[in-house]
Amino acid sequence: DVKVTQSSRYLVKRTGEKVFLECVQDMDHENMFWYRQDPGLGLRLIYFSYDVKMKEKGDIPEGYSVSREKKERFSLILESASTNQTSMYLCASNHPRGDIIIKGPETQYFGPGTRLLVL
Amino acid sequence: QKEVEQDPGPLSVPEGAIVSLNCTYSNSAFQYFMWYRQYSRKGPELLMYTYSSGNKEDGRFTAQVDKSSKYISLFIRDSQPSDSATYLCAMSGDYKLSFGAGTTVTVRA
Repeated sequence: DVKVTQSSRYLVKRTGEKVFLECVQDMDHENMFWYRQDPGLGLRLIYFSYDVKMKEKGDIPEGYSVSREKKERFSLILESASTNQTSMYLCASNHPRGDIIIKGPETQYFGPGTRLLVL
Repeated sequence: QKEVEQDPGPLSVPEGAIVSLNCTYSNSAFQYFMWYRQYSRKGPELLMYTYSSGNKEDGRFTAQVDKSSKYISLFIRDSQPSDSATYLCAMSGDYKLSFGAGTTVTVRA
């Protein structure tokens, strides 16, 4: 079974703090993604990475950066946390050349999420 | 206008009822269509996947895609309290997914 883990389930930080959210997947997936999920807005893509040290901006990258030094690990960094970054953060991964027949090339596997509160 | 529109509900039905969920989309390039289920305080998990117009059945779940109308549906037959969750539609033309806002469903025992 694919497993995507996130370092924290709940996090409380103060405005201006630097925040690190870690994600690890154990299926040798090439693509990894960071989303935030807010009520009424669904999942919005922050950043994604298609290979080690490679990253692409998603739909809402402002205020965030990412790091992918190893294939299995993708970190999301809030350089200076603000209250409007209070949200649920979800990490996902997929393998564009895997699971094609059964689950399609686009299926993403999600971690349990990190609920971040910025005070 | 959002690329993917989904009524957030909430939807409350009695046990045994048919649940009907819908999404519309505007991007003709979308080829792959998915439904994810998300239980409270958990990450989304894939429920159904399809890439062509028509129906796909998996047990009590049926996914329907109408590309000409840019409309997808998920039906849950004989709904159970364990089906209570948020259901998100998702679609893609490449390896990025576009999600609907999610519909919260409660099945009352």
